[in-house]
Amino acid sequence: GNSVTQMEGPVTLSEEAFLTINCTYTATGYPSLFWYVQYPGEGLQLLLKATKADDKGSNKGFEATYRKETTSFHLEKGSVQVSDSAVYFCALRSSTGGFKTIFGAGTRLFVKA
Amino acid sequence: EAQVTQNPRYLITVTGKKLTVTCSQNMNHEYMSWYRQDPGLGLRQIYYSMNVEVTDKGDVPEGYKVSRKEKRNFPLILESPSPNQTSLYFCASSPSGQSAPFGYTFGSGTRLTVV
Repeated sequence: GNSVTQMEGPVTLSEEAFLTINCTYTATGYPSLFWYVQYPGEGLQLLLKATKADDKGSNKGFEATYRKETTSFHLEKGSVQVSDSAVYFCALRSSTGGFKTIFGAGTRLFVKA
Repeated sequence: EAQVTQNPRYLITVTGKKLTVTCSQNMNHEYMSWYRQDPGLGLRQIYYSMNVEVTDKGDVPEGYKVSRKEKRNFPLILESPSPNQTSLYFCASSPSGQSAPFGYTFGSGTRLTVV
């Protein structure tokens, strides 16, 4: 079946550091890939998405590229801020069978001033 | 404002006492889904609905029921709650389930404790 694996946290960075959160997936067909962010006490918010191979999703300085050859969708940001502290979820939405969305376990990011 | 509204935000109940968590969306989305979030397990899908009167089981449906009588509402029913259903619950919606590339809009969550 489909699955999503993302790096375990927590990840602790200083402000203005470079961020990478790794995400790999297994899937049949042609899934769409997403990153969601969850701030404390809130629901998840869609951060960015990519719907086909080599697509790059971007939003608020975050980027991720859909790499079919390595089945990866790593999240990157060039310079993190304290306000980026949150939990980040990689997700896959199937192109078949009910269009289910599967989430990774989440990676908690702490950014220190 | 486009949103998914869940109620209540917090609920403490006793084992066996039936409860309903409501979910409503104002975006005319066809697809709605319930997830539970547990530490170390991420989000797991309970039930989903691709349209009115069309519902199906997700990965962890045991102990839960849903209904979709109207497009905007998708309540989650626990007929006889047990302590292992203590969790953080999220309702989510998206445009047509016939097309994969849409992300979800999530509600703010319901933290349920069953004692």
